[in-house]
Amino acid sequence: QKEVEQNSGPLSVPEGAIASLNCTYSDRGSQSFFWYRQYSGKSPELIMSIYSNGDKEDGRFTAQLNKASQYVSLLIRDSQPSDSATYLCAGGGYNKLIFGAGTRLAVHP
Amino acid sequence: EPEVTQTPSHQVTQMGQEVILRCVPISNHLYFYWYRQILGQKVEFLVSFYNNEISEKSEIFDDQFSVERPDGSNFTLKIRSTKLEDSAMYFCASSDTYSGANVLTFGAGSRLTVL
Repeated sequence: QKEVEQNSGPLSVPEGAIASLNCTYSDRGSQSFFWYRQYSGKSPELIMSIYSNGDKEDGRFTAQLNKASQYVSLLIRDSQPSDSATYLCAGGGYNKLIFGAGTRLAVHP
Repeated sequence: EPEVTQTPSHQVTQMGQEVILRCVPISNHLYFYWYRQILGQKVEFLVSFYNNEISEKSEIFDDQFSVERPDGSNFTLKIRSTKLEDSAMYFCASSDTYSGANVLTFGAGSRLTVL
């Protein structure tokens, strides 16, 4: 069974701090990895994609991928209350993307 | 910005009834997907569709589900003989093949309530 595992949280950070979210995956054949943000009652919204080992930065977000360790992470710098949501890690290929259960992030003022 | 459109936004049905959920993917996208999310649970893959045929499906798909692309724009999910546990949010998504990876764009979802 191909799985994506995440700590469910909640992860609580103060406004302005760095939030660190982690994910592991079981399928070594997975080619692409994504972080989606999901607000309560809404659909997943793409935050970051990463396909090769190393870091990828986009604004306040940095994704990290380590294929040898089957590990993906997301750092959110200068966290804002509007970042409070559930963050979904996903991995796979064109035919199928598998999602983790999500980590709930709470940014408090 | 192009978007994936889903209808209805909310449907209430009686147990045992058939339900059809509709999706209009982004026009130049070639891969289509259905996922569902039971309240409080993970986003669960149901099926992917490419080149007018199913490319991959979940273990539960054949039990109750079918998909169709009846015309050039619509992509439907049929749920046969609904059960209480089918109550969930159903998401349609699409992706292109130009970016080199399957970046899924999700619709707003169809909430199904089975009574």
